[in-house]
Amino acid sequence: KNEVEQSPQNLTAQEGEFITINCSYSVGISALHWLQQHPGGGIVSLFMLSSGKKKHGRLIATINIQEKHSSLHITASHPRDSAVYICAVTLLAGNQFYFGTGTSLTVIP
Amino acid sequence: KAGVTQTPRYLIKTRGQQVTLSCSPISGHRSVSWYQQTPGQGLQFLFEYFSETQRNKGNFPGRFSGRQFSNSRSEMNVSTLELGDSALYLCASRLDRVSSPLHFGNGTRLTVT
Repeated sequence: KNEVEQSPQNLTAQEGEFITINCSYSVGISALHWLQQHPGGGIVSLFMLSSGKKKHGRLIATINIQEKHSSLHITASHPRDSAVYICAVTLLAGNQFYFGTGTSLTVIP
Repeated sequence: KAGVTQTPRYLIKTRGQQVTLSCSPISGHRSVSWYQQTPGQGLQFLFEYFSETQRNKGNFPGRFSGRQFSNSRSEMNVSTLELGDSALYLCASRLDRVSSPLHFGNGTRLTVT
């Protein structure tokens, strides 16, 4: 059983669509991270959350600690948003990291 | 400010050899963590160093080790390489251990033949 589950695994959207990627976890965490990985390997940290909601440009991340669930929303999606989005958690005990398997997003013009 | 620098970018080794990968964090960052990424297992946490001490470790065999120097630069070593060690190895740095985001390097792609 994975400590971090993401859905969907793959997502194709038309340019301009609103996109939601979900992340559920089963362990106590001190923080949740949303990461973006483009082809070629480079990873960028989009958000680090411990509660509530954060917004950066067209990206919004929310977390519900009681339900152990987080969502990443992309408004007005664009082809440059095509990437793999990875949810990661930092464990409350021990500060280890666990990762979801990623959501591969393709935005079609 | 320069980003996280990993060297080398690509490496080819044969089974049984050992390899050392290097990571230079962003200036001022004291935490460096290492990750393995494979198509089958995805991203997995290897270990984290903070102020030259290993603070926590993932579920990898003892063949995987690391260290951090006083300037926060870190090295990761894999001994007795196996075919399954072929992967993208990423390091990330952050200001502290708890409340700051991760900054990733571009990774070292290791191929074991």
